[in-house]
Amino acid sequence: DTGVSQDPRHKITKRGQNVTFRCDPISEHNRLYWYRQTLGQGPEFLTYFQNEAQLEKSRLLSDRFSAERPKGSFSTLEIQRTEQGDSAMYLCASSLAGNNSPLHFGNGTRLTVT
Amino acid sequence: AQSVTQLDSHVSVSEGTPVLLRCNYSSSYSPSLFWYVQHPNKGLQLLLKYTSAATLVKGINGFEAEFKKSETSFHLTKPSAHMSDAAEYFCVVSDPANTGKLIFGQGTTLQVKP
Repeated sequence: DTGVSQDPRHKITKRGQNVTFRCDPISEHNRLYWYRQTLGQGPEFLTYFQNEAQLEKSRLLSDRFSAERPKGSFSTLEIQRTEQGDSAMYLCASSLAGNNSPLHFGNGTRLTVT
Repeated sequence: AQSVTQLDSHVSVSEGTPVLLRCNYSSSYSPSLFWYVQHPNKGLQLLLKYTSAATLVKGINGFEAEFKKSETSFHLTKPSAHMSDAAEYFCVVSDPANTGKLIFGQGTTLQVKP
């Protein structure tokens, strides 16, 4: 079981720069989720895909954020013109379709915007 | 709207004593509820889930949770704490629509003293 992998583990960037994160889900999982977690808080939902279709986006996902899953396998999350408030842990999870299928989380990408 | 409230932000116990982490939920539907654990620098791991079957749910590492509809509670317990249980614990409710989306509580930090 290779699990959900995320790359990079850590990213430090200067305000105004663009960053891109990658998530590789468990291979047979058709759903993929992005969450954001700030210090001392629980993860907050950002968006999710079923196969290659992006089915829901949170209001937290401003126009500077874009996520893709072009072939229904790996996904990327891009943040343009980063701001200090974007500093957080970005978590990816995957699951099979079905409301009670458990989500399997990756170890996350920690973003620090200076 | 679905939500969960974790009643304690920090719980401290001695090794070998019982653990109680409290969670209340709010849901207009019969909810699916979960507990996840997050160790430092590790991904979120599913401890257990309730999906309207037995009200007492057994999870991994000796943890249990009891669904009490009359009290809208889903407290997590363990008879005897181990040092390795020290971590952040999240009570989670799933979105009633068939999205698999999870809504997390704020988290409870469990400290285990020797």
